[in-house]
Amino acid sequence: EAQVTQNPRYLITVTGKKLTVTCSQNMNHEYMSWYRQDPGLGLRQIYYSMNVEVTDKGDVPEGYKVSRKEKRNFPLILESPSPNQTSLYFCASSLSLDGGQGEAFFGQGTRLTVV
Amino acid sequence: KNQVEQSPQSLIILEGKNCTLQCNYTVSPFSNLRWYKQDTGRGPVSLTIMTFSENTKSNGRYTATLDADTKQSSLHITASQLSDSASYICVVSEGFQKLVFGTGTRLLVSP
Repeated sequence: EAQVTQNPRYLITVTGKKLTVTCSQNMNHEYMSWYRQDPGLGLRQIYYSMNVEVTDKGDVPEGYKVSRKEKRNFPLILESPSPNQTSLYFCASSLSLDGGQGEAFFGQGTRLTVV
Repeated sequence: KNQVEQSPQSLIILEGKNCTLQCNYTVSPFSNLRWYKQDTGRGPVSLTIMTFSENTKSNGRYTATLDADTKQSSLHITASQLSDSASYICVVSEGFQKLVFGTGTRLLVSP
């Protein structure tokens, strides 16, 4: 089954304690990205990757890191989480962003709470 | 600034009725426009994708339209069902590098 898998689904952590949210896709997609979703705001892009070893900042990259060592995995790293990073996070992948091949598949989401 | 605006913010309709959701965008360069359905606490699921040259696209009871001249799109839901209760998000692809998301319309279908 084609899917994007995020782990964990729920996470409560303390300020300053490094954490990683994993994302894996089994569709051999080139494009992967991370978003955060906050009440009253649309999904905002944190980082994206157009291929292995190619990553770029999105609209809200501060406080986050990513890596793309393999095509299937795109982990999101919070080196020193702060309460303003409490949010619902989504990983997504697509073959490209070009219309015909651009359908994006989203993971189930990770609800992160930083206290 | 590239933006996607949706209206209404929320909508309540009776089961079986039709409804239309609106999307206006100012994204450039425009690549394509998508509509997603997002159930509470879940990831968005694609309904339609339309490129510049397409002005209508259907997916079952969902029909999306696109007017690239006025930069407007609509999503029409026919014969609504309780399972249609969700947020509907309009998303425009800015070139081939990023997606710009609207804040969504929250639809509640009441029995």
